[in-house]
Amino acid sequence: AQSVTQLGSHVSVSEGALVLLRCNYSSSVPPYLFWYVQYPNQGLQLLLKYTSAATLVKGINGFEAEFKKSETSFHLTKPSAHMSDAAEYFCAVSVRQRDSSYKLIFGSGTRLLVRP
Amino acid sequence: NAGVTQTPKFRVLKTGQSMTLLCAQDMNHEYMYWYRQDPGMGLRLIHYSVGEGTTAKGEVPDGYNVSRLKKQNFLLGLESAAPSQTSVYFCASSYSIRGSTDTQYFGPGTRLTVL
Repeated sequence: AQSVTQLGSHVSVSEGALVLLRCNYSSSVPPYLFWYVQYPNQGLQLLLKYTSAATLVKGINGFEAEFKKSETSFHLTKPSAHMSDAAEYFCAVSVRQRDSSYKLIFGSGTRLLVRP
Repeated sequence: NAGVTQTPKFRVLKTGQSMTLLCAQDMNHEYMYWYRQDPGMGLRLIHYSVGEGTTAKGEVPDGYNVSRLKKQNFLLGLESAAPSQTSVYFCASSYSIRGSTDTQYFGPGTRLTVL
């Protein structure tokens, strides 16, 4: 069964420091992977997604992620953290269902704290 | 466009009471979803719909029912609420074209407490 694992329920960085949020996937077929962000008291919004067109994917707000098949990883990075990046981040994989529709399987989330 | 909206934003129920959560989208999306979010568990799919008049079970469907009578609306019902259903509920929608890579658009959530 396809799944994603996010290492670290909380990550704390200083403003201006590198952000690295880890996501590993388990899949027997080429996966379609997503990163979503949830700001406090809001719904989720898409940061970026991997669709096999390119292994390095650039998203909104300066975030990017690199698909590494050999490591089964899709880690999210940002060179310099900003206070406004404080949020919860979810990695997800798209899974085909019996009725040929697709559903998202989410990781447990990583809360990013940014220190002044 | 309003995107995906959810009603109500907050609700407190007593055990055994019933309620309906309403989700509406104005993007003409075919697919709609109901998730619940619990601490440390990410989002889990309750039910989903691939089009008007069709619904299907997700990962955690027990205790919930859904209906999609109109393409733009997706209702989630709790017939007899239980404390285990205390959670934040999110609705989402997406296009059906190239479904494997479709972006899901989320509503702002409904925070439900069952006493």
